[in-house]
Amino acid sequence: QKEVEQNSGPLSVPEGAIASLNCTYSDRGSQSFFWYRQYSGKSPELIMSIYSNGDKEDGRFTAQLNKASQYVSLLIRDSQPSDSATYLCAVSGAPASKLTFGTGTRLQVTL
Amino acid sequence: ETGVTQSPTHLIKTRGQQVTLRCSSQSGHNTVSWYQQALGQGPQFIFQYYREEENGRGNFPPRFSGLQFPNYSSELNVNALELDDSALYLCASSLTNSGGGAFFGQGTRLTVV
Repeated sequence: QKEVEQNSGPLSVPEGAIASLNCTYSDRGSQSFFWYRQYSGKSPELIMSIYSNGDKEDGRFTAQLNKASQYVSLLIRDSQPSDSATYLCAVSGAPASKLTFGTGTRLQVTL
Repeated sequence: ETGVTQSPTHLIKTRGQQVTLRCSSQSGHNTVSWYQQALGQGPQFIFQYYREEENGRGNFPPRFSGLQFPNYSSELNVNALELDDSALYLCASSLTNSGGGAFFGQGTRLTVV
């Protein structure tokens, strides 16, 4: 079983729609959860972090965490073509400790 | 821009050679981690440095080694390069105990031929 699992996609959504990206993790000791966006040929960019159960909103992005279900999600509202990228879910056991990444979900926002 | 800079951006080496990659961490960040990202995969943790000491290591052989300097910059050294070492090497800086996430440099694309 992989430590962090994501559907590789591609996930295709029309412009203006909500994109929903999901991630499950196996280590119940995980404390910190992150979403990174990675454009093709570029390095990952941190877009959201979440540490406690519930929702965290930042602009068009909402991260959701359910530790009991070991599930993290990212919602992107009003999706734009510029959101087309690979979204990486990452978890860590302690602040600033190593990140364990999923393989990423490729999102395509179509016109 | 994260303030984390890596050099070089691209590199081609021959199998069996050695390579050194460099990273300058974001101002104020005292922890540097290195990751290897193969095509189509998520980044894999190589090791982390804090206060010039290795502070955790992933499942990589000893020919992957590193250093952290007093100014928190870091080097990744890989000896006896293999074809499978071809990947994007990412440096990430963070602040220990901040929980604020890690910020990546632009990466070094290493090709081993």
